[in-house]
Parts: sequence; structure tokens; C-alpha cells
Amino acid sequence: QITLKESGPTLVKPTQTLTLTCTFSGFSLSTSGVGVGWIRQPPGKALEWLALIYWNDDKRYSPSLKSRLTITKDTSKNQVVLTMTNMDPVDTATYYCAHSTYGDYGYWGQGTLVTVSS
Amino acid sequence: QSALTQPASVSGSPGQSITISCTGTSSDVGGYNYVSWYQQHPGKAPKLMIYDVSNRPSGVSNRFSGSKSGNTASLTISGLQAEDEADYYCSSYTSSSSYVFGTGTKVTVL
Repeated sequence: QITLKESGPTLVKPTQTLTLTCTFSGFSLSTSGVGVGWIRQPPGKALEWLALIYWNDDKRYSPSLKSRLTITKDTSKNQVVLTMTNMDPVDTATYYCAHSTYGDYGYWGQGTLVTVSS
Repeated sequence: QSALTQPASVSGSPGQSITISCTGTSSDVGGYNYVSWYQQHPGKAPKLMIYDVSNRPSGVSNRFSGSKSGNTASLTISGLQAEDEADYYCSSYTSSSSYVFGTGTKVTVL
């Protein structure tokens, strides 16, 4: 059974760096074709794709956010970490991590709401 | 990378069929057969309904089908049911080696 869970701060101040951790079970991030991605959704708005890391450490980023994002993995801990710098109120959203098979997200975490406010 | 364009809302009566469009460019939808569709009920995480344009994951009803023509992908829901009322999002691989979601469509069952 594949499960994922996001963790991190619920409130960050403008200009701060957000660090989110995705802890997963039921699969290995060393298996060929497997990846973990991050997607966010501002309240009442559409999904926005952020980043994806593959089993072979190949990393993909949203072109519009690439300068602010870093995605890393710790295979031994079954974790993927996303950092986003220079947070702004417009970054307020529910952040999801999800299991990816070549870009298709078949399993999602419950999401974590991050609010950016002073 | 601009979001893929979807109609804001689509509605239908129980038993009817509806189709949701997802329009992109030759740099995303039109250039690759990597279009996915997700269903999202309020307060819930999205659920994968279609991948690689027209493939259904195990457990997804065969009332859901996907297709693509040129730069536009489509999701068809046949035999519309009350439980199908939700938001639907398309997604595509892009020439930037990234992915992009659509603007989302709210499906209402009348």
C-alpha cells in the first residue's frame, strides 16, 4: 500500500524559505521509473505543478519557479524534500506530494496548507 | 509555461455524456502523448483518472475515456452519475521537460 504524507510549517513569513518534507511508504525511490513530485493549489484555485525527482536523481522544475525551488531525496529515509525560497503571500496554498510513474501521479498525500503572512 | 485551457464549467443530467476539453500548444499537449486527467472532490486530493491520453488506471470506471486531436485533449464521462460531480484537471508533459496542469473544470450533475 502506497502512502505519502507532507510535513512542514503551516505559517511562514514573507521572504522566508519554506522547507517541506514528503515521507512515503509502500515503494522505493530507487526503483526504475519511479518519482515523487510536488504540486500546489492556492485556496479555490487550480493545481500548479512544481517539481519532480526521479529514481535516478533526475530533477525537473516548473520553469516559472525554477530559481526558487530545490528538490532532493533521501532514499534511505523514504523522504523527498522541497525547498522554496523568498516566500510571498501569493505562495499560500495546499502543497501536495505525489508518487509519479513517468509524470502520472497515481498516489497523493493529503496535502498541507501553508500560509504566508507576516 | 502557461496553464492548459479548460472550460470553467460543464454540466449534464444523470445518464448523459459530457466532454471536457483541454487546449494547449504543440509544445505540450500537441507534442506528446503524455496527457493525464485528474478528478478532485472538495477538500480531497486529486485522483488520477486517465494517463497517456487514453489509458485508465486499474479501478477507474470505464465510463471515463480520454482522447486527443492536435493540441486539444478531451475527457469524456459517459452515463453521468451524481458522484462524478467534482473538479477535473488535465496535465501534460512539456518541451521544457516539465509538466503543466490545466485551469480546471467544475462538473455539475443537474
